[in-house]
Amino acid sequence: NAGVTQTPKFQVLKTGQSMTLQCAQDMNHNSMYWYRQDPGMGLRLIYYSASEGTTDKGEVPNGYNVSRLNKREFSLRLESAAPSQTSVYFCASSEGTSLSEQYFGPGTRLTVT
Amino acid sequence: AQSVTQLGSHVSVSEGALVLLRCNYSSSVPPYLFWYVQYPNQGLQLLLKYTSAATLVKGINGFEAEFKKSETSFHLTKPSAHMSDAAEYFCAVSLTGGGNKLTFGTGTQLKVEL
Repeated sequence: NAGVTQTPKFQVLKTGQSMTLQCAQDMNHNSMYWYRQDPGMGLRLIYYSASEGTTDKGEVPNGYNVSRLNKREFSLRLESAAPSQTSVYFCASSEGTSLSEQYFGPGTRLTVT
Repeated sequence: AQSVTQLGSHVSVSEGALVLLRCNYSSSVPPYLFWYVQYPNQGLQLLLKYTSAATLVKGINGFEAEFKKSETSFHLTKPSAHMSDAAEYFCAVSLTGGGNKLTFGTGTQLKVEL
């Protein structure tokens, strides 16, 4: 039982390049989330998927797109990376109720030069 | 809209001393409140959560938090700090009936000194 896995762990991009961050969970959770973590700002929600087949914007969606490929997988795409997207990205999953614990992956550290 | 405020971005305590990390919330409806911990280079993990069943909530690793509606607070405490408690702590809020979208505070870095 791996929980929530993310790939890659580290990535360096040049401005304008694109990439996809992958996330998978093996807990049969309904809901999945993408956050970014920046110093002094806590975690901010980028996009979330309440259930398979649905996605919604969070607090900071600009410059990102997501795909809920199936119940297990939720990917985050940067179409044209900008230095402002340098951050640590976390994927999480939960059963999806207001009381549910969110389980986090180990994170992807992204640098855009 | 809901929000949480964590007072003190850095807190330093001596080993064996009381740990007190502060969290105040703002919500127009009864909230659910969470404390998460992040150890260096890891994801977040749940310490404890308030779900209205009891105002004093006990979590893992000896931590507890008390929900005080009159003060709109949910402060995290531990009677005696260990070196292993050094980490970043996040308070978060979700709304009743709002699904599971969490709004996080900005975090408090706890340092434990010998």
